[in-house]
Amino acid sequence: EVQLVESGGGLVQPGRSLRLSCTASGFTFGDYAMSWVRQAPGKGLEWVGFIRSKAYGGTTEYAASVKGRFTISRDDSKSLAYLQMNSLKTEDTAVYYCTRFRNYYDSSGYYHPYFDYWGQGTLVTVSS
Amino acid sequence: QSVLTQPPSASGTPGQRVTISCSGSSANIGSNTVNWYQQLPGTAPKLLIYSNNQRPSGVPDRFSGSKSGTSASLAISGLQSEDEADYYCAAWDDSLNGPVFGGGTKLTVL
Repeated sequence: EVQLVESGGGLVQPGRSLRLSCTASGFTFGDYAMSWVRQAPGKGLEWVGFIRSKAYGGTTEYAASVKGRFTISRDDSKSLAYLQMNSLKTEDTAVYYCTRFRNYYDSSGYYHPYFDYWGQGTLVTVSS
Repeated sequence: QSVLTQPPSASGTPGQRVTISCSGSSANIGSNTVNWYQQLPGTAPKLLIYSNNQRPSGVPDRFSGSKSGTSASLAISGLQSEDEADYYCAAWDDSLNGPVFGGGTKLTVL
């Protein structure tokens, strides 16, 4: 059974840093891209960023709202994904979900990206 | 303001068929596949439909997805009380180089 468990959330002051962790189990972690999606209180879903598997270079992509402040990394030996958040702003307050990110091109060239498994989320509150 | 547009609410009675729409542009829905996520109250989102119309294992066939041009729809037939949830559409956006979501539709089962 695929399981994703986030940790590291909490209350942090604006301008400070926080690192979230995502512990994965039930699948071969290194074979998959991983992504973070957040949800501000009472609001909709917002993609934060993703990291490709090592087979695809382990490179990262980020939403414009967090680019330059957030960094996603992975430790395949421990089945862990991380979200390092720096220069936090009050608008970063949200539940952060770790997701497994499936993405592939079919024979017709269509791109199929989707989040097939989600963790339970961890709340990050940025406030003074 | 979300990139994809969904109605904020929808409702139906048990047994009814309801549809939820999702409108986008040529940069997202028009050129990429659409996914739907279900978020039950107080829980994490769950993949409901992927690649426009594919159901993951365990999702009842009461749920179906379709896409036409720059719009997509989620249909739920034989509505049940446990279907009361928020539903989000999503698609890759070529201009933003990342996935984008709709604002979500809150489905109420009357």
